Order: sequence, then C-alpha cells, then structure tokens
Amino acid sequence: DAGVTQSPTHLIKTRGQQVTLRCSPKSGHDTVSWYQQALGQGPQFIFQYYEEEERQRGNFPDRFSGHQYPNYSSELNVNALLLGDSALYLCASSYRQGAGMSYTFGSGTRLTVV
Amino acid sequence: GQNIDQPTEMTATEGAIVQINCTYQTSGFNGLFWYQQHAGEAPTFLSYNVLDGLEEKGRFSSFLSRSKGYSYLLLKELQMKDSASYLCADNQGGKLIFGQGTELSVKP
Repeated sequence: DAGVTQSPTHLIKTRGQQVTLRCSPKSGHDTVSWYQQALGQGPQFIFQYYEEEERQRGNFPDRFSGHQYPNYSSELNVNALLLGDSALYLCASSYRQGAGMSYTFGSGTRLTVV
Repeated sequence: GQNIDQPTEMTATEGAIVQINCTYQTSGFNGLFWYQQHAGEAPTFLSYNVLDGLEEKGRFSSFLSRSKGYSYLLLKELQMKDSASYLCADNQGGKLIFGQGTELSVKP
C-alpha cells in the first residue's frame, strides 16, 4: 500500500522563477493538504483540496496556487519565487477532508531559492 | 487565536522518561495530534486525542485536558533513535495548526 508520494525530492530555483511541486495521495485518500516548513519550525498550512476545489486556505499570498486532478493527485505552484520561499514543502493526504485521524504525510520537497 | 506552544528543545538520557508539553487555544478544537519528525523526513503519526485523559501506546503515551487547553507526550525507556523533533498539532476543522516543534536529544 503506497503512502504519499512527492516529487521532486529536491529543487533549486532562482528568485522570480516559478515552481510546480507534485503529490500523489495514499491509496483510498481523496483530500490533499499542503504545508510549508521552514528550518527549525513546525509546518504551516497552505491550502487543502477536496473534490478538485480549494476548500481551506492558510495565510499565504496568491503567488501560492494549487490544483487537484480527478485521480486525487495535486500540484502546488509558486510564482515569483522569493528567497523566503525556501523551505520543505509537505503534502498530507486524508479521507474526507481529514475526518478523525487519517492524515498521512509525504517526505516533502526541499525547495531552495537562490 | 490559533497559538500552539511547546518547548523548543529538551535533552534526556537513554532509558529515562521525558514529558513534552503543549498548550493550545481551545476555540474550534477538534482534536490534538502528536507527530515525530526526524530531520529531512516526513512527520509520522504518534497519537490523536479527542477526549480528556491519558492514552497509552507502548512506550509513548499522550494526555489531553480540553478545559485547560493542554496536552503532553510522555516517552518512556528512551532510546537513541527517539532523538527527533516532536510536533503537536491542533485539528481546526481539517486544517492542522502545528507548534514549532520540540527538538529532543537523547544522550547515552
């Protein structure tokens, strides 16, 4: 039973560029949430996708956008990258928007902006 | 508010017991998670408390007091591999609000 898969594992981008990160949820899960984790900090909620729509959003600017496909996989897009966007980006999948305790995290994508 | 507070660092000795505390603001509370995260890896689930009291799961136990907005994670018989960051997270309607994490160092 595959867990949550994220790609790529590492990425280096230049300020001002755009990046797309990808997530495949755990089998049986239909909801994907994205988190940003700066070094030495806890993850911060970016947004959540369910039934191909953004359902909840954290305190992140519009430069952060996403998408969910019919197979429940998801993408996180960040435009006009800033140095401060350097972080570990985690994807978490769950069933029915996280009812109960069904959250599973991927290993993340380490984004470095130079 | 959605503040989650936990100590930044703790150090303990192999074989000992350590308690990691977490306080949260009670509005919109649905449950409290504890995750373990080794450097560069995914957070892994340890416990989820919805009701008051202590839940024991092997060497790890978690306690919740909803009226006080307080939880703790208790780790017994510490092993070197328990050195990691421990994250508490408040379940706010499907959105997890994390504390900054407690970096636990287990020394021989």
